[in-house]
Amino acid sequence: SQQGEEDPQALSIQEGENATMNCSYKTSINNLQWYRQNSGRGLVHLILIRSNEREKHSGRLRVTLDTSKKSSSLLITASRAADTASYFCATAASGGSYIPTFGRGTSLIVHP
Amino acid sequence: EPEVTQTPSHQVTQMGQEVILRCVPISNHLYFYWYRQILGQKVEFLVSFYNNEISEKSEIFDDQFSVERPDGSNFTLKIRSTKLEDSAMYFCASGPFHPATGWTSGSTDTQYFGPGTRLTVL
Repeated sequence: SQQGEEDPQALSIQEGENATMNCSYKTSINNLQWYRQNSGRGLVHLILIRSNEREKHSGRLRVTLDTSKKSSSLLITASRAADTASYFCATAASGGSYIPTFGRGTSLIVHP
Repeated sequence: EPEVTQTPSHQVTQMGQEVILRCVPISNHLYFYWYRQILGQKVEFLVSFYNNEISEKSEIFDDQFSVERPDGSNFTLKIRSTKLEDSAMYFCASGPFHPATGWTSGSTDTQYFGPGTRLTVL
């Protein structure tokens, strides 16, 4: 299966701490994306990293990609209570469909 | 800021009934998608739609499902005879260009998701 799998399934931290979530996948990818989903809401696209990139930044977000290990990490620095949400990685297979395949997500709770 | 809207927010139906979930994509977008998320599970792709026809569909999108763009603004998902296992959140998404184009250029401007419709089949 192409899908990404996030780790941990749940993460609980204090405001101001950093949160790190990991995603592993099984086959070669074209790109990997991270999404956020607030409870009962739709998905919000956070960042896309292509297979030839190793690191990307967007504000307090830092994403790394290690294609040799078939893994990615999402780091949220200086977390805020508003970062409380589920975070999903989604992979698009190389040479195949560009439709992203989602993992089960990491549920992040940031305590004020 | 333009956004994708979906109606209704919650739909309750009896098993075997037909339901139509409605979406209004962002107005200048050309690519449309439906996804579903069973409670506590992954978001799963159902179908993509471009130029008034289905571009791709998943195994989930069987003969019970159909999509339509009946006018210039709405994009609908119809489930002909609902089953208990169709209970899920259904998300519509739209995008301004083909994902391959966007991703090749490094753009993240590919898919914008609506807030979802929670479908409960009793």
